Amino acid sequence: DAMVIQNPRYQVTQFGKPVTLSCSQTLNHNVMYWYQQKSSQAPKLLFHYYDKDFNNEADTPDNFQSRRPNTSFCFLDIRSPGLGDAAMYLCATSSSRGNYEQYFGPGTRLTVT
Amino acid sequence: GENVGLHLPTLSVQEGDNSIINCAYSNSASDYFIWYKQESGKGPQFIIDIRSNMDKRQGQRVTVLLNKTVKHLSLQIAATQPGDSAVYFCAENNDMRFGAGTRLTVKP
Repeated sequence: DAMVIQNPRYQVTQFGKPVTLSCSQTLNHNVMYWYQQKSSQAPKLLFHYYDKDFNNEADTPDNFQSRRPNTSFCFLDIRSPGLGDAAMYLCATSSSRGNYEQYFGPGTRLTVT
Repeated sequence: GENVGLHLPTLSVQEGDNSIINCAYSNSASDYFIWYKQESGKGPQFIIDIRSNMDKRQGQRVTVLLNKTVKHLSLQIAATQPGDSAVYFCAENNDMRFGAGTRLTVKP
């Protein structure tokens, strides 16, 4: 089945130690998104790609970076995680610019110790 | 700033009753709205959408109503079932912003 896959499902990292979260999709969708969701809160958009065109939200900290080497894969890099970065990170896709129906992965829960 | 928000953070209903979840938005530039369902430990799941040129859209057991005059959305779930228990978010296409979410609990 076509889907959005996130690895790992649970990630523990140390304060200040760089960490990378992965997302892959078999939907062949053009648009990929990264959201941060803290406990009992709504998902907050960090950035998104239209194909290779990167779009950063204005309030996304510089500590968060992203890479999309090809259509299928997208990575979220947190350069120096702080305790406040502990959250669920959700990857989503949509088929094209202007199509807002998003397909979400199961998320990666990040713990910072 | 402009945002999308929900009136009620929690909603508890009896199995078989109808549920209504509300959402207020303030960004008049948005022209597309989506409702998502998020079960515990899972990513949000698309339920239904509506474009701003429509007032109502129906799906299977769900109906979304859009009142552009007062910038209000609602999600109606008919004959609510235990499997409907989840957090429901509305979202707008402008910046893909999500509302605060409403937790729906269905009592058997």
